[in-house]
Amino acid sequence: SAVISQKPSRDICQRGTSLTIQCQVDSQVTMMFWYRQQPGQSLTLIATANQGSEATYESGFVIDKFPISRPNLTFSTLTVSNMSPEDSSIYLCSFPGTAPYNEQFFGPGTRLTVL
Amino acid sequence: DAKTTQPNSMESNEEEPVHLPCNHSTISGTDYIHWYRQLPSQGPEYVIHGLTSNVNNRMASLAIAEDRKSSTLILHRATLRDAAVYYCILSDTGNQFYFGTGTSLTVIP
Repeated sequence: SAVISQKPSRDICQRGTSLTIQCQVDSQVTMMFWYRQQPGQSLTLIATANQGSEATYESGFVIDKFPISRPNLTFSTLTVSNMSPEDSSIYLCSFPGTAPYNEQFFGPGTRLTVL
Repeated sequence: DAKTTQPNSMESNEEEPVHLPCNHSTISGTDYIHWYRQLPSQGPEYVIHGLTSNVNNRMASLAIAEDRKSSTLILHRATLRDAAVYYCILSDTGNQFYFGTGTSLTVIP
């Protein structure tokens, strides 16, 4: 199966700054997903990113706060903008496997701490 | 958006079977039932999935109720490495996963 990696693995950032998280897959995938996992919580879907189109955001998430790029079929970035301590979370990317099963393969996550 | 209900936590003795339940009473005909687990400091990993029939793989078994409104993940012999949060997820053709709260499994030596 394809390998998925994220950079950075963790970071500590100051309030008001922005951080861009990279997600790299070693094969071409049409669809990618970004999730947030707040401390001690489950995963929440942020958005779906298809190559060549604007990302589709879930309720409660907006493009100005979480802009996403999808420049090609193996790469995506998520930016957490104007960060506050409430943005401290683990951010994960994933991609789906073969239809119709739609299993997902997850990256290891990026642990973000905002001071 | 979470469409599944699971107990918050369960315990099992090492080398004993574990049955992790999941209720999904609003499941639609096209929803697949997925189980993932998340070990500490890792992303979720695939365990098993099914549609209507019971399924077995090297990691676990999935028992699906006849009406599909519930399912049970069965770990035949729990090991310490099985300690994780287990998520039961429904997915339709849209591919999106909406995670519930999951069940935190503790394995007692």
